[in-house]
Amino acid sequence: QVHLQESGPGLVKPSETLSLTCNISGGSISNYYWSWLRQSAGKGLEWIGHIDRSGSPNYNPSLRSRVTLSVDTSKNQFSLRLTSVTAADTAMYYCASDISGAWWFFWGQGTLITVSS
Amino acid sequence: EIVLTQSPGTLSLSPGERATLSCRASQSVSGSYLAWYRQKPGQAPGLLIYAASRRAEGIPDRFSGSGSGTDFTLTISRLEPEDFAVYYCQQGGTFGQGTKVDIK
Repeated sequence: QVHLQESGPGLVKPSETLSLTCNISGGSISNYYWSWLRQSAGKGLEWIGHIDRSGSPNYNPSLRSRVTLSVDTSKNQFSLRLTSVTAADTAMYYCASDISGAWWFFWGQGTLITVSS
Repeated sequence: EIVLTQSPGTLSLSPGERATLSCRASQSVSGSYLAWYRQKPGQAPGLLIYAASRRAEGIPDRFSGSGSGTDFTLTISRLEPEDFAVYYCQQGGTFGQGTKVDIK
């Protein structure tokens, strides 16, 4: 059973870079797709991107220019980096995974990120 | 890009009643790669149905999914207290806007 736990700064200033980490336990990194999603009142649920089982990233076109995803197998961690944040990036951020890459069975509890000066 | 439209926006029902939720796609969904989630207050979404009609592990049989092409349905045969929540359909990187099932 895969268990996911997000961690992040809580508050980020506009124009800065948001960095989030998802700690993974209970599953082999190479067997799953690893995704970040976010949820805000204004935009609902939004897929940010994933890393597939071969380690290749795939990003939401609307965020591609600002997002980098990475996996650190030595630390069992999955990370998100989002540059040049604005208030529109304020949301609950979730890491999620599944073997299919088409939906998500395993979810973290989420971490709330507020972009404000 | 596919747009998923869920209806109704809110469904007011009593415990024990049947709930029927709709999800319409703006173009045909290939291979029935459609999923449904339930999100309880303060929690992450939980997968209920995948591939349009297959129940996820641990999901009770009061939940069923059907449909193909552009029209999909989630049915809850008898509402339990924990089913009063928000439901989302999903295809690829796109989610519907959600249907809230609340207590009448």
